Amino acid sequence: DQQVKQNSPSLSVQEGRISILNCDYTNSMFDYFLWYKKYPAEGPTFLISISSIKDKNEDGRFTVFLNKSAKHLSLHIVPSQPGDSAVYFCAAKTNSGNTPLVFGKGTRLSVIA
Amino acid sequence: GAGVSQSPRYKVAKRGQDVALRCDPISGHVSLFWYQQALGQGPEFLTYFQNEAQLDKSGLPSDRFFAERPEGSVSTLKIQRTQQEDSAVYLCASSSETRGVHEQYFGPGTRLTVT
Repeated sequence: DQQVKQNSPSLSVQEGRISILNCDYTNSMFDYFLWYKKYPAEGPTFLISISSIKDKNEDGRFTVFLNKSAKHLSLHIVPSQPGDSAVYFCAAKTNSGNTPLVFGKGTRLSVIA
Repeated sequence: GAGVSQSPRYKVAKRGQDVALRCDPISGHVSLFWYQQALGQGPEFLTYFQNEAQLDKSGLPSDRFFAERPEGSVSTLKIQRTQQEDSAVYLCASSSETRGVHEQYFGPGTRLTVT
């Protein structure tokens, strides 16, 4: 049973518009959430994170929103740029020390110029 | 500064061969993780080291998989008698603290193909 779900395998957005990537989780013990970006033949690159004590975290063009009651988080990218085209992974962990990340299957974002 | 490095980047093994995959974490990072990523899936946890101690190996899929980090820096993931289902990208990640820091930094991975 997947504990972290990214239900959209792919998303296509025009350059300059907003990209919204969604993620749902089932394990109520998760309290730290991360987004990673992955280009082909490279490892995942850390993008942005959020603790469960917050509902929003912003870093430049990237904002992550967390809705704990719905067990849902989303990553907003605005404005989207062609260089943002990649696979985006949502990951979650418990806050008890250095525990493993649990990943979703990823969403492939294509930003069209 | 140097990130996490892994070698080899690509490995082709015949079924039944043993393979060894190497990970060089970011200098000074205490924690080291191995993940397996099958095609079209997200990375899945294999094992975790804090310095030289292997604290969690619950994700290793069988006793053919073995990992070590004898001096608390470089780590090796060994797979004995490889099977076709072992074909995947093996990712190594490191993190700087045992508590309070959650971001893990990944290497480029080793793509293993078992024929």
